[in-house]
Amino acid sequence: GAGVSQSPSNKVTEKGKDVELRCDPISGHTALYWYRQSLGQGLEFLIYFQGNSAPDKSGLPSDRFSAERTGGSVSTLTIQRTQQEDSAVYLCASSYSGGISYEQYFGPGTRLTVT
Amino acid sequence: GDSVTQMEGPVTLSEEAFLTINCTYTATGYPSLFWYVQYPGEGLQLLLKATKADDKGSNKGFEATYRKETTSFHLEKGSVQVSDSAVYFCALSDLGSSNTGKLIFGQGTTLQVKP
Repeated sequence: GAGVSQSPSNKVTEKGKDVELRCDPISGHTALYWYRQSLGQGLEFLIYFQGNSAPDKSGLPSDRFSAERTGGSVSTLTIQRTQQEDSAVYLCASSYSGGISYEQYFGPGTRLTVT
Repeated sequence: GDSVTQMEGPVTLSEEAFLTINCTYTATGYPSLFWYVQYPGEGLQLLLKATKADDKGSNKGFEATYRKETTSFHLEKGSVQVSDSAVYFCALSDLGSSNTGKLIFGQGTTLQVKP
């Protein structure tokens, strides 16, 4: 079946602009995670959604970052007033349910470059 | 907070050599431990996992044993192939109080296997 898909695959934006990154999880997966992979910080957790519960936003680096998940499926990560340090690969993962018992399946990522 | 430390790369080996990639962790609870692999041009994939002390995870000839006494989860393979060339990430997931399953990753180790 289809895996996790993300769009766009690449995004180049100017400093100060807003960007939206999209994630389509595997159908039927209730848990969705966003991570960021950057040269300086490695792979770091950003935000977690599980069903209709309040998201765990503990990994968001600043209030310029926000995310939503509509209808328990597609998720959008928004970065406002982008900065050069936001340049990274943004990864989305989904799993059948939250917690440690279920494997997370990762998408191919969106490479964001802020010029 | 919880953290994972991996040996620095890159690691360069000849085909059929023995591989060890060291991984140690710090966690307040009793985490589950994972190895993820990222092949060139592909997304992150779960390679193996272990959920409690003394468990051994294995897959595709790779093994890792959860050592609580040394807080380690070293990855080993007896005979590497060129196709094993990839970036390997050690990760943990702690139940904590929220049981989100969010992953905390090490910095990643690049493995290059030469014919």
